[in-house]
Amino acid sequence: ILNVEQSPQSLHVQEGDSTNFTCSFPSSNFYALHWYRWETAKSPEALFVMTLNGDEKKKGRISATLNTKEGYSYLYIKGSQPEDSATYLCALEGGATNKLIFGTGTLLAVQP
Amino acid sequence: NAGVTQTPKFRILKIGQSMTLQCTQDMNHNYMYWYRQDPGMGLKLIYYSVGAGITDKGEVPNGYNVSRSTTEDFPLRLELAAPSQTSVYFCASSYSRMGDDEQFFGPGTRLTVL
Repeated sequence: ILNVEQSPQSLHVQEGDSTNFTCSFPSSNFYALHWYRWETAKSPEALFVMTLNGDEKKKGRISATLNTKEGYSYLYIKGSQPEDSATYLCALEGGATNKLIFGTGTLLAVQP
Repeated sequence: NAGVTQTPKFRILKIGQSMTLQCTQDMNHNYMYWYRQDPGMGLKLIYYSVGAGITDKGEVPNGYNVSRSTTEDFPLRLELAAPSQTSVYFCASSYSRMGDDEQFFGPGTRLTVL
């Protein structure tokens, strides 16, 4: 059974701080890694889909890196804003299974 | 495009009742999925479909059934509701296989079984 772990579970930062969190996964049989942003009372929205070792993707102040050999991905937020407050989910597709295995998420709270 | 729509938004069921959660997407996506989200547990895949007429089990299929008679619709059926099925249910879709394509999520259905 594939296990996707995210850390920390929750994070409180001040507006303007930069932050990062981790998604760990089994490195064997990797196919793709997804990052989603999930605001309270809304539905998850895709941030990145990453498939290649060494991939780096960026969307505004948010970026992500991927290391498939050691089984981790980092999500970075530069200069956090209150509107960045959300749960950030990563999800693994291990092998050609058509199935995503989600982590439990990192809850980010940015205080003004 | 409306994207992925789900009905109802909220529902309370008594133990043993049945209901169908509706999911429709207007993006001509081949792949559709049903997840449930329980506190502290993350999203768990219930069933998925790779195209009309094709469905397959996910991680937690017990107590549920699905059908995919059209590309647009992917209803989830609960036959005998149990308290363990109290959860928030999300439907999602993607155009191609997940490794290549992001998933688009519906707004969710909050179900309580008493």
